[in-house]
Amino acid sequence: DTAVSQTPKYLVTQMGNDKSIKCEQNLGHDTMYWYKQDSKKFLKIMFSYNNKELIINETVPNRFSPKSPDKAHLNLHINSLELGDSAVYFCASSPSGGRAQETQYFGPGTRLLVL
Amino acid sequence: EDKVVQSPLSLVVHEGDTVTLNCSYEVTNFRSLLWYKQEKKAPTFLFMLTSSGIEKKSGRLSSILDKKELFSILNITATQTGDSAVYLCAVGSNTGKLIFGQGTTLQVKP
Repeated sequence: DTAVSQTPKYLVTQMGNDKSIKCEQNLGHDTMYWYKQDSKKFLKIMFSYNNKELIINETVPNRFSPKSPDKAHLNLHINSLELGDSAVYFCASSPSGGRAQETQYFGPGTRLLVL
Repeated sequence: EDKVVQSPLSLVVHEGDTVTLNCSYEVTNFRSLLWYKQEKKAPTFLFMLTSSGIEKKSGRLSSILDKKELFSILNITATQTGDSAVYLCAVGSNTGKLIFGQGTTLQVKP
């Protein structure tokens, strides 16, 4: 069974479109994250939710809006897609997050290409 | 600003060689340092280090942390082609954030 899953795996779309990426974890973790990995392989945190509550919100354009319907799901909606949004987006989860020292487990990634 | 720097950025070795990957950091409220291996897809967890001087070992891989000098090393002995990957170092702060380095791309040739 996949611990952290994301859909879709690949997403090719035109500039200006709106798209969503879904993430689900079946580990019973309380905290979920979204990361963006650029072409230089740099992983940067975007958002983090703990029990459906936003706890980390980095400097990300307002066009990106995370939504957590429950603690097992964290979706990412992107409005008005731009060329610079092309990247691999990783979802991750950790048992409790926040101030705890713990490992984050990553999903397989969603490769987004904006044309 | 918090930062994590890895070196070298890339490395090409032959099977059987030993490699050492470096990670230095400047992070406020340090809590842990983690190493991940990323092949084609998701980063997979290797080690988490929280205390200085205590080596963590898993097969041919080992890692150690120096909290005074603010760095960690990841050693891989008797490398195999399956070790080819990007190795990511990340530092966790008490905010729960993981700050990643830019990764070291290791290629092991037969």
